[in-house]
Amino acid sequence: QQQVKQSPQSLIVQKGGISIINCAYENTAFDYFPWYQQFPGKGPALLIAIRPDVSEKKEGRFTISFNKSAKQFSLHIMDSQPGDSATYFCAASPWNTDKLIFGTGTRLQVFP
Amino acid sequence: EPEVTQTPSHQVTQMGQEVILRCVPISNHLYFYWYRQILGQKVEFLVSFYNNEISEKSEIFDDQFSVERPDGSNFTLKIRSTKLEDSAMYFCASSVGPHGYTFGSGTRLTVV
Repeated sequence: QQQVKQSPQSLIVQKGGISIINCAYENTAFDYFPWYQQFPGKGPALLIAIRPDVSEKKEGRFTISFNKSAKQFSLHIMDSQPGDSATYFCAASPWNTDKLIFGTGTRLQVFP
Repeated sequence: EPEVTQTPSHQVTQMGQEVILRCVPISNHLYFYWYRQILGQKVEFLVSFYNNEISEKSEIFDDQFSVERPDGSNFTLKIRSTKLEDSAMYFCASSVGPHGYTFGSGTRLTVV
């Protein structure tokens, strides 16, 4: 119940395309859902986060869509660029703690 | 931009030896964390630390692990007697409040 399932494991997108990464959870106690971007040799960096009282949040080219009833959330990267090539992790945190439970990661490759 | 600094970047140790992984969190941050990432797998929570004490720990964080904030600026993770399965990338993170962490670049621990 503490798991966050992430798909796909890897994703190849052409420059200018839309990258979509999906996550699903079961624990209704989760109330904070961040996305992290990780480049090789670096730690995860917070990209964007959402709470369940909002269905969508947009920051620049990055959008989180959140479906509370389906217990799913997704990251959309619009106009994907080669510099977006990285591993993306979704995560979730229960309301009564600040620990993060991470998904398994998606390796995104954007080709020119 | 402020950074979380981790040293060393890579540590090789013999099985059974003690290791100390060091972190300098961002100066005005109050919440501190250790996570680990076994090669190719997801990022896993180890421990959170607030107000000079452990606020939460995972099942991974057994008696072989300890954390300390010895001087108000460093935050250390000690593994008393390393095992082969402790080989992983260890990430320190800090935040002003719960959530919204900044991660360091990690220490790759190799136990031989």
